[in-house]
Amino acid sequence: GQNIDQPTEMTATEGAIVQINCTYQTSGFNGLFWYQQHAGEAPTFLSYNVLDGLEEKGRFSSFLSRSKGYSYLLLKELQMKDSASYLCAVRYTGGFKTIFGAGTRLFVKA
Amino acid sequence: EPEVTQTPSHQVTQMGQEVILRCVPISNHLYFYWYRQILGQKVEFLVSFYNNEISEKSEIFDDQFSVERPDGSNFTLKIRSTKLEDSAMYFCASGDSLNEQYFGPGTRLTVT
Repeated sequence: GQNIDQPTEMTATEGAIVQINCTYQTSGFNGLFWYQQHAGEAPTFLSYNVLDGLEEKGRFSSFLSRSKGYSYLLLKELQMKDSASYLCAVRYTGGFKTIFGAGTRLFVKA
Repeated sequence: EPEVTQTPSHQVTQMGQEVILRCVPISNHLYFYWYRQILGQKVEFLVSFYNNEISEKSEIFDDQFSVERPDGSNFTLKIRSTKLEDSAMYFCASGDSLNEQYFGPGTRLTVT
């Protein structure tokens, strides 16, 4: 199967840094998305990685290691509004189908 | 900033009825998708559409489902003979490349 694994929940403090990990099966890998989803809302596109390394976009960065089947999303200077679910999603060979993980619920506390 | 729009925001239908969910993707985008999310569960890929045809579909997307792009702006998902288990949020998404997918706000479908 094409399992995508993420921690179910994480808690962090306002102003801190948090890293949300995602592991996936490498066979047929074509690219990896990160999305933010607030409760009751649609996923919001954060990043897309297809090559190894770190991509930074403001307070959010995403890292990919294709050989290890591993990615993480790094959130800096956490704000209360960052409390949300973070979804890791992988595009496999064929190019169009995207498989989502169950998401990591992040709680940011004061 | 351009956005994907979806109508209706909430659709209630009786089991066995047909529903059409409508989406207007971002205007210069070429890749279109439908996803669903059952309450409390993960987002599930249904179908992708490119160059006026289905490019890929999941096991969920059986003969009960169909998609259409009837004109240059709309993208629809038809669900025939709805079942209770079709109750979910249905999201449309679009992108101008395979490297991005922007989601619409979703249609909440309730089958009674």
